[in-house]
Amino acid sequence: DAGITQSPRYKITETGRQVTLMCHQTWSHSYMFWYRQDLGHGLRLIYYSAAADITDKGEVPDGYVVSRSKTENFPLTLESATRSQTSVYFCASSDSPLAGYNEQFFGPGTRLTVL
Amino acid sequence: TQLLEQSPQFLSIQEGENLTVYCNSSSVFSSLQWYRQEPGEGPVLLVTVVTGGEVKKLKRLTFQFGDARKDSSLHITAAQPGDTGLYLCAGVDNFNKFYFGSGTKLNVKP
Repeated sequence: DAGITQSPRYKITETGRQVTLMCHQTWSHSYMFWYRQDLGHGLRLIYYSAAADITDKGEVPDGYVVSRSKTENFPLTLESATRSQTSVYFCASSDSPLAGYNEQFFGPGTRLTVL
Repeated sequence: TQLLEQSPQFLSIQEGENLTVYCNSSSVFSSLQWYRQEPGEGPVLLVTVVTGGEVKKLKRLTFQFGDARKDSSLHITAAQPGDTGLYLCAGVDNFNKFYFGSGTKLNVKP
């Protein structure tokens, strides 16, 4: 299917476990983003990537790791999950702003609960 | 600390009323976007404003970008129940990094 997909959609894990959230887009967009959404905080940027093998920290990167070996995939790993990482995680992609058009397209989200 | 402050946080109005949502920052952005998000889904872009002082209209929605490119407003005329949702503003910097406001939750009662 064309578009941007996230998996899993729901995940329950325990404190201290490693969790990886997957994100895949079919548009060949150069930029990809990971956000977390919590009540009262809107969307907060965790990491973003301008191209394959190029990643950079956002506002709240601590406790998270990303990689981007292929343009279409941008997995987010919680190396040792904590309760404070319970949240809804959104992946997004956008074309290069040099093209004059940088709308972000969001995936459906992953609801993560850390017990 | 949120780079973009949105107000109000919550708004509950009757169908047919008008409303305005504000998005303010002390930072200058290359562009500003407004998104709408429904429960269980990701945000969807409504509009992008780029030029200071720019006004864009999308049916009953009017978007304005401040002259200094630090703030924006969204005005809805004659709100309908279908307008119910979470409205998010996002400032975009020169590196294509997005900064979202905390959102305005709108409920339009029939």
